[in-house]
Amino acid sequence: AQTVTQSQPEMSVQEAETVTLSCTYDTSENNYYLFWYKQPPSRQMILVIRQEAYKQQNATENRFSVNFQKAAKSFSLKISDSQLGDTAMYFCAHLWAGSYQLTFGKGTKLSVIP
Amino acid sequence: GAVVSQHPSWVICKSGTSVKIECRSLDFQATTMFWYRQFPKQSLMLMATSNEGSKATYEQGVEKDKFLINHASLTLSTLTVTSAHPEDSSFYICSARGNSYNSPLHFGNGTRLTVT
Repeated sequence: AQTVTQSQPEMSVQEAETVTLSCTYDTSENNYYLFWYKQPPSRQMILVIRQEAYKQQNATENRFSVNFQKAAKSFSLKISDSQLGDTAMYFCAHLWAGSYQLTFGKGTKLSVIP
Repeated sequence: GAVVSQHPSWVICKSGTSVKIECRSLDFQATTMFWYRQFPKQSLMLMATSNEGSKATYEQGVEKDKFLINHASLTLSTLTVTSAHPEDSSFYICSARGNSYNSPLHFGNGTRLTVT
């Protein structure tokens, strides 16, 4: 079974600053994907970034980047130049390609302070 | 881009009644859809995997007779909460993926169910 751990229930960051959200996971599979999802108050699940486990290069999407350490099973999210609209719950998730079932962490509530 | 429509977005029902929630893939065919439940300030918990044309696969602890899932077509899966009770009040979210390898997952907007 896969498990995903987010050790930071809440975090805050000053607007325009950089923040890193932590995530570790446990899996015995080799073919898997990792995701960060954002859930604003509307509760819509929004894909922030995705990483294929077989790729060594860290994924980047504009202000969002990850630090993927496969051996350590770590998958942190860095948000640069934080904006007020980044305020949301952030969920780290693992997906095994064999089932396409997502396993979510408990989430980190991020508040961007003006 | 691909869109998943979930309806209704919110519903209030009386205890003992049944409620049906629909999840539709609007511009792609989805062999597999997933149903999640999210309690306030908690994470999403997978309830079941819905497979078109076959029985759903339920996660441990989820009552299949309580949460009926029907995936009658490649674009529609329904979740029916039968004989609803206040403890069934929650946020229910579906997701769907296309049929090709490496197809991404898309989420519906969720349904807030309140049982009075």
